[in-house]
Amino acid sequence: SSELTQDPAVSVALGQTVRITCQGDSLRSYYASWYQQKPGQAPVLVIYGKNNRPSGIPDRFSGSSSGNTASLTITGAQAEDEADYYCNSRDSSGNLVVFGGGTKLTVL
Amino acid sequence: QLQLQESGPGLVKPSETLSLTCTVSGGSISSSSYYWGWIRQPPGKGLEWIGSIYYSGSTYYNPSLKSRVTISVDTSKNQFSLKLSSVTAADTAVYYCASSIDYGDVNWFDPWGQGTLVTVSS
Repeated sequence: SSELTQDPAVSVALGQTVRITCQGDSLRSYYASWYQQKPGQAPVLVIYGKNNRPSGIPDRFSGSSSGNTASLTITGAQAEDEADYYCNSRDSSGNLVVFGGGTKLTVL
Repeated sequence: QLQLQESGPGLVKPSETLSLTCTVSGGSISSSSYYWGWIRQPPGKGLEWIGSIYYSGSTYYNPSLKSRVTISVDTSKNQFSLKLSSVTAADTAVYYCASSIDYGDVNWFDPWGQGTLVTVSS
């Protein structure tokens, strides 16, 4: 079982804003990073650290954190944002790496 | 720009050892900036971190796999490798290699290899 918990599925209307969350005790001490994975493709980093976007990631993607919860927000969701999203961070000991179980985002 | 590519057998028999290699291009595996990691994804399921290695050889493994996993680095070939022993059908997955950066309070994997499907079956 994962030390990071994500909702299995979330939906959003085209053009609206959606927040995908990741919960875990380790997030009180460590930032989460976020990955987008489309069917048949490798995951792609979309947010890392406090709120950093790699080159080429649209600015509609943003990250935030409060207490034991990290959030990925997509402002103005597009059809191409439909994908699985995973968070990752260190575990509670700080020595190892964990991934959340993933959230399937559907854009309606 | 870093690129990673997994290689190895796509079919492994139960009880045998799964062996994969990740070739790094566009940068040196000896860079002190990076860790090098393996992550897997069973069909239809989520991502599972297997372990990571630093160029110096320091390794960090998922406790659930630690007794069966060995990750090593070959700086002369700019490659790192994964060995998973005593495999069962539960080890059937797409295996990804990825570079990882760790700044203490945050770590992330970028970029990832394209992934390789390994099926455990007789």
